Amino acid sequence: KAGVTQTPRYLIKTRGQQVTLSCSPISGHRSVSWYQQTPGQGLQFLFEYFSETQRNKGNFPGRFSGRQFSNSRSEMNVSTLELGDSALYLCASSVTGGTEAFFGQGTRLTVV
Amino acid sequence: AQRVTQPEKLLSVFKGAPVELKCNYSYSGSPELFWYVQYSRQRLQLLLRHISRESIKGFTADLNKGETSFHLKKPFAQEEDSAMYYCALRAPGGTSYGKLTFGQGTILTVHP
Repeated sequence: KAGVTQTPRYLIKTRGQQVTLSCSPISGHRSVSWYQQTPGQGLQFLFEYFSETQRNKGNFPGRFSGRQFSNSRSEMNVSTLELGDSALYLCASSVTGGTEAFFGQGTRLTVV
Repeated sequence: AQRVTQPEKLLSVFKGAPVELKCNYSYSGSPELFWYVQYSRQRLQLLLRHISRESIKGFTADLNKGETSFHLKKPFAQEEDSAMYYCALRAPGGTSYGKLTFGQGTILTVHP
């Protein structure tokens, strides 16, 4: 079966802009989680969506937001980009959020 | 608060030698513990979870609640084991849906 797909794979944005990243989960998976990966902070949880509802949220500012659609696809948005937002953004899907999580390849965001 | 600590950022061994990747966690309760692996240019994938108590690719991990550790071990390392290894924790219950707390990771290099 197809794995978790994230688009785009690479992005370059300017400070102050906003960006939207997309994640298509494995078919049948209703939970989608987002993580930010940086060399300094490692992998940090952003938020989790299940059946179009955010159930869990990490310690990130309100500039980071997300949503989930009825087909379980999810998007995350970062507004007013800062240089420190440069990172690899990973999404993971699972059947319920309490089962095995499968990760996408990630979107590498560079803010200049 | 929950925390995962992997004390070794880098670990080098020779092929055929035993390897142990250390993981300590902080959580007041009974969490789920996982080991994830990321091979070069591949996505993050689950290696094993403590509740399954199985051996994957020759790796085993034992949960020691007294020492709050979940070390990953393999008796005879192979070159193909070279990768980044992450220990991760998920708290039980609804507040942790889809949320994994990761350690900083250990880069394992197996020399021929």
